[in-house]
Amino acid sequence: GENVEQHPSTLSVQEGDSAVIKCTYSDSASNYFPWYKQELGKGPQLIIDIRSNVGEKKDQRIAVTLNKTAKHFSLHITETQPEDSAVYFCAASIMEYGNKLVFGAGTILRVKS
Amino acid sequence: NAGVMQNPRHLVRRRGQEARLRCSPMKGHSHVYWYRQLPEEGLKFMVYLQKENIIDESGMPKERFSAEFPKEGPSILRIQQVVRGDSAAYFCASSTGSRSATNEKLFFGSGTQLSVL
Repeated sequence: GENVEQHPSTLSVQEGDSAVIKCTYSDSASNYFPWYKQELGKGPQLIIDIRSNVGEKKDQRIAVTLNKTAKHFSLHITETQPEDSAVYFCAASIMEYGNKLVFGAGTILRVKS
Repeated sequence: NAGVMQNPRHLVRRRGQEARLRCSPMKGHSHVYWYRQLPEEGLKFMVYLQKENIIDESGMPKERFSAEFPKEGPSILRIQQVVRGDSAAYFCASSTGSRSATNEKLFFGSGTQLSVL
């Protein structure tokens, strides 16, 4: 089955700097790659996603890139702010009927002001 | 537009008791997924249901765990004879079940934190 690895496990950046989180997946049939942000005591919140027919997607300060050949995808956050501090999870799935996501282990992002 | 509602937020049980976790999907959503999160770990898939049907239960432990999503009412995750290892956060997510690319997004609830004493 699918296996998703995520790096780094923790990331500290200065406010205003960029943050990059990387994930690799094992199943070449996976075609859907969302990113979730989880704040303390809350459920995961979808922040951006990408399908396998697209190489890059951007939404304001957040962007995701996908390299299907290498089977890896990355989350880029520019101009980081203290409120970006949270745990970020990548996930992958084969979106056919249903959408069973396989998650990475998470990255704790700390933005220092 | 209410999101995915889970209750209770916190549930304390003694070993051997039963735990019932409830999930009401977002309005218009007919598919429900249950995930478990252990401390400092990612979310692990447990079960995928639609109304009155279990689609995929490959992540469910073989014993003591069951799930349902009746025609009326919330989805229920039931854990019988709980043990300390069942202590975790349990999250529910819902989707419309449509094959449309935009409609298969999963939206999560705030979770139920189960503590077994």
